[in-house]
Amino acid sequence: RKEVEQDPGPFNVPEGATVAFNCTYSNSASQSFFWYRQDCRKEPKLLMSVYSSGNEDGRFTAQLNRASQYISLLIRDSKLSDSATYLCVVDNYGQNFVFGPGTRLSVLP
Amino acid sequence: DAGVTQSPTHLIKTRGQQVTLRCSPISGHKSVSWYQQVLGQGPQFIFQYYEKEERGRGNFPDRFSARQFPNYSSELNVNALLLGDSALYLCASSRDRGRDGYTFGSGTRLTVV
Repeated sequence: RKEVEQDPGPFNVPEGATVAFNCTYSNSASQSFFWYRQDCRKEPKLLMSVYSSGNEDGRFTAQLNRASQYISLLIRDSKLSDSATYLCVVDNYGQNFVFGPGTRLSVLP
Repeated sequence: DAGVTQSPTHLIKTRGQQVTLRCSPISGHKSVSWYQQVLGQGPQFIFQYYEKEERGRGNFPDRFSARQFPNYSSELNVNALLLGDSALYLCASSRDRGRDGYTFGSGTRLTVV
């Protein structure tokens, strides 16, 4: 089983739609979780950290379920500028980040 | 404030050659990590350095080596290049070994021909 798994997509959604991405991880000892966004041929950029209590930043909501080893990202009211690859990231004992393969999102006009 | 800077931005090398990639972290960041990203995949961890010591190594052959200097900048060296080493090499820095996330540089795109 891969350490971090994501549905690669692509997810093609119309502007204004709500879209959700899921991610599962295998290391139950992981302590830190993140969502990164990566535009084509650019570097990953931190979108948000993911906390056990869940967190929200504008149109973006992230949830963590430690019992199921599952992370989610919800994007409401999708914009064209949200088109990107979303990477689920899990830490490995503070030593390194383990990235999922990414989920590609295309928001269509 | 300057972000994470990497040089060069692009590089073309021949099989068997050696390459050195450079990274300057954000001021105040003591942790530097290196990642390799091939097209269509997520970044793969190569090395982590913190306070000039290697703190983690990914599943890469011994042809890959790195170091961190007293000013916290870092170099990644790859010897005996193979075609499969063609990738985007990303450097990332953090104040605290990633607890609050890493900030990535824009990467060095290496092509081995």
